[in-house]
Amino acid sequence: AQSVTQLDSHVSVSEGTPVLLRCNYSSSYSPSLFWYVQHPNKGLQLLLKYTSAATLVKGINGFEAEFKKSETSFHLTKPSAHMSDAAEYFCVVRTLASGTYKYIFGTGTRLKVLA
Amino acid sequence: DVKVTQSSRYLVKRTGEKVFLECVQDMDHENMFWYRQDPGLGLRLIYFSYDVKMKEKGDIPEGYSVSREKKERFSLILESASTNQTSMYLCASCRGNYNEQFFGPGTRLTVL
Repeated sequence: AQSVTQLDSHVSVSEGTPVLLRCNYSSSYSPSLFWYVQHPNKGLQLLLKYTSAATLVKGINGFEAEFKKSETSFHLTKPSAHMSDAAEYFCVVRTLASGTYKYIFGTGTRLKVLA
Repeated sequence: DVKVTQSSRYLVKRTGEKVFLECVQDMDHENMFWYRQDPGLGLRLIYFSYDVKMKEKGDIPEGYSVSREKKERFSLILESASTNQTSMYLCASCRGNYNEQFFGPGTRLTVL
């Protein structure tokens, strides 16, 4: 069965330190993977996506993610956190099930950035 | 700039009322989706539509229906609102090749 697991529900980092948000997926089909960010009371905004091209994907606002097929992971990183990065982050896998594409969302990781 | 808009940001309704949530996209996307978002549960798919007048049930369709009479508009209907339908509702759209979804700002619905 297809699934997405975000390993941490909350992550706290200090401003200027690296960010690591972890995501593991399970898919019997070659997946496309996405990271979205949601600021309070807002919709979801696409940060980056992997669609079977380069395994290291660069996104907006300095974020990047690496697709590791052997580890079934797609972790999101940023070298230096900024206060404006405080938000909730969702890992999403697009997979094929019963002839229909389906998006499966992780339960989210809330990032807190400390001054 | 691409846009998905939702008719209300905040809505308060009473138990038993019929509720309409409207979503409009200006990107000529074939596919549109309705999700509900609850803390700790992520986003759960209620219904989606891959063409005008076409609809498919998602993971939690009970208590909801949808309507897609025009390509740009996808409506979610709560036939008889209940308190357990208090939630954030998000609409999304994407192209026919099912790449990234574009999301609206959400409607926070409270049912009293």
